[in-house]
Amino acid sequence: SSELTQDPAVSVALGQTVRITCQGDSLRSYYASWYQQKPGQAPVLVIYGKNNRPSGIPDRFSGSSSGNTASLTITGAQAEDEADYYCNSRDSSGNHMVFGGGTKLTVL
Amino acid sequence: QVQLQESGPGLVKPSETLSLTCAVSGYSISSGYYWGWIRQPPGKGLEWIGSIYHSGSTYYNPSLKSRVTISVDTSKNQFSLKLSSVTAADTAVYYCARHTWDGYNNWFDPWGQGTLVTVSS
Repeated sequence: SSELTQDPAVSVALGQTVRITCQGDSLRSYYASWYQQKPGQAPVLVIYGKNNRPSGIPDRFSGSSSGNTASLTITGAQAEDEADYYCNSRDSSGNHMVFGGGTKLTVL
Repeated sequence: QVQLQESGPGLVKPSETLSLTCAVSGYSISSGYYWGWIRQPPGKGLEWIGSIYHSGSTYYNPSLKSRVTISVDTSKNQFSLKLSSVTAADTAVYYCARHTWDGYNNWFDPWGQGTLVTVSS
């Protein structure tokens, strides 16, 4: 079982805002990173650190954290944002990495 | 532009050892960073296997630690994964990625395209 918990599925209307969450005790101490994965493709980093976007990631993607919960927010979701999203951070020991179970985002 | 490419057999027999290599281009492994392996069983989520520092220090997923060895070859600018005593449960797409791991931060970027390894007789 994963030490990071994500909702299995979330949906959002085109152009609306959606928040995908990731819960875990280790998130009180460490930042989460977020990955977008489309079918048949490798994951792509979309958010890392406090709230940083790699080059090429649209600014509609943002990250935040409060207590034991990290969040990925997509402001004005586009059809191309439909994908699986995974959070990643350290486990409670701090010495190992763990991924959340993933959230399937559907854009209606 | 850093690029990673996995290579290795796509079919491994049960009880044998899975061996994969990740070739890195556009960056010298000996210059720094951790380098990691992640896998994804068909239709399932991502699982971290382990990471190696450019100097050779390793960290493994506790659930796989007894079967995993990750090594680095700076002369060839590549790093490798060995997973012993494989079963059908090890069937997955295996990804390699550059791993930034410092302070409160941790992320994997970029990733290789992934390679499917099937465990079957």
